[in-house]
Amino acid sequence: NAGVMQNPRHLVRRRGQEARLRCSPMKGHSHVYWYRQLPEEGLKFMVYLQKENIIDESGMPKERFSAEFPKEGPSILRIQQVVRGDSAAYFCASSPLDRGLTDTQYFGPGTRLTVL
Amino acid sequence: GESVGLHLPTLSVQEGDNSIINCAYSNSASDYFIWYKQESGKGPQFIIDIRSNMDKRQGQRVTVLLNKTVKHLSLQIAATQPGDSAVYFCAEKGDGGSQGNLIFGKGTKLSVKP
Repeated sequence: NAGVMQNPRHLVRRRGQEARLRCSPMKGHSHVYWYRQLPEEGLKFMVYLQKENIIDESGMPKERFSAEFPKEGPSILRIQQVVRGDSAAYFCASSPLDRGLTDTQYFGPGTRLTVL
Repeated sequence: GESVGLHLPTLSVQEGDNSIINCAYSNSASDYFIWYKQESGKGPQFIIDIRSNMDKRQGQRVTVLLNKTVKHLSLQIAATQPGDSAVYFCAEKGDGGSQGNLIFGKGTKLSVKP
């Protein structure tokens, strides 16, 4: 009964490069959320996706950031032309969002992005 | 605007004592609250949740209390153990259509002294 999986766990990029972060939700979960965490701070919501749909991207910067959750395969958070300020831990969470049961979000181990 | 915050950034307790971590929220429309535990280098781990139609919920060694009158949430850990040392976050979710995002507080670091 695997939990939320994220890869890579650590990612180092130089300024201007692209970063791709992957998230596989828990089995049976069709809702994915991405959060960003800076050191010594709480998590900040970025985007909420269902299969093939972006439901809420209000927390995601308009430029350079994009997210997808295709019909097959993991959810991808893509950061183009990274800058040092993008250095952070990026967490993915998933939920079944069946309001008859629970909509608790379960988190993955995160990807720690370092921009040199 | 909406915010979730914590009264104390750090808490140090003796092993075996009870711990109480507090949280204030500002959105009276929030209907769901969760406590997460985050150990260094790891993702947040679900501890316990509570819906706004309840004022208390108990788990194994943990109890969450919700006071909607003053918009206050607390997490009580009984017989605190060294393995409880971590940062604890409260999070809230509003009752809003298709939005599912959680709003996190900044966290309280719990240190357990042996």
